[in-house]
Amino acid sequence: AQSVTQLGSHVSVSEGALVLLRCNYSSSVPPYLFWYVQYPNQGLQLLLKYTTGATLVKGINGFEAEFKKSETSFHLTKPSAHMSDAAEYFCAVRPAGGTSYGKLTFGQGTILTVHP
Amino acid sequence: DTGVSQNPRHKITKRGQNVTFRCDPISEHNRLYWYRQTLGQGPEFLTYFQNEAQLEKSRLLSDRFSAERPKGSFSTLEIQRTEQGDSAMYLCASSPGTGFLEQYFGPGTRLTVT
Repeated sequence: AQSVTQLGSHVSVSEGALVLLRCNYSSSVPPYLFWYVQYPNQGLQLLLKYTTGATLVKGINGFEAEFKKSETSFHLTKPSAHMSDAAEYFCAVRPAGGTSYGKLTFGQGTILTVHP
Repeated sequence: DTGVSQNPRHKITKRGQNVTFRCDPISEHNRLYWYRQTLGQGPEFLTYFQNEAQLEKSRLLSDRFSAERPKGSFSTLEIQRTEQGDSAMYLCASSPGTGFLEQYFGPGTRLTVT
């Protein structure tokens, strides 16, 4: 079974400041990890994913995340926030193999607010 | 690439009525998922199709819910005798049958049961 915990349901930063959104996961098997962004009244857009290989992954819009197995974490960062980054962000996990059919388990989401 | 489409985008219905939602996946994707997202929560898995076969259903999917994917193309999700607790965003996603099974989401159907 998998679970995801996103620490902080709301994060507020100033424009130009570092963005750090925290995600910890629990998985009994090696995981694939994902970050999605959701704008109001829209579906989810994939920001980045970790599957295998390099543990630091880069995504769209300047976001990146680092898979740390020892800490069971996959925190999302962006060096400099932009007003357009204001949205809700979801961390998700799925098993790397087996018979899960790829279904995702999501965290509860973190709403990012960017102040001018 | 036209992406995943869902219709309708919004549905308001009275308690006890039946509703049906449609999802059109990306054309070459043979895997299709339905998720439900309630206010302030992340999406929760409902059901999964590989081609026309429904291979997994969540315990969240009560007897009032049914999903189909005839001919392995579009899918429909029907809710019978709707309840206020069914109010949510219903999201559809599709993925190719190979690779890392990355899921592409549609814009969702927001259901309000009054």
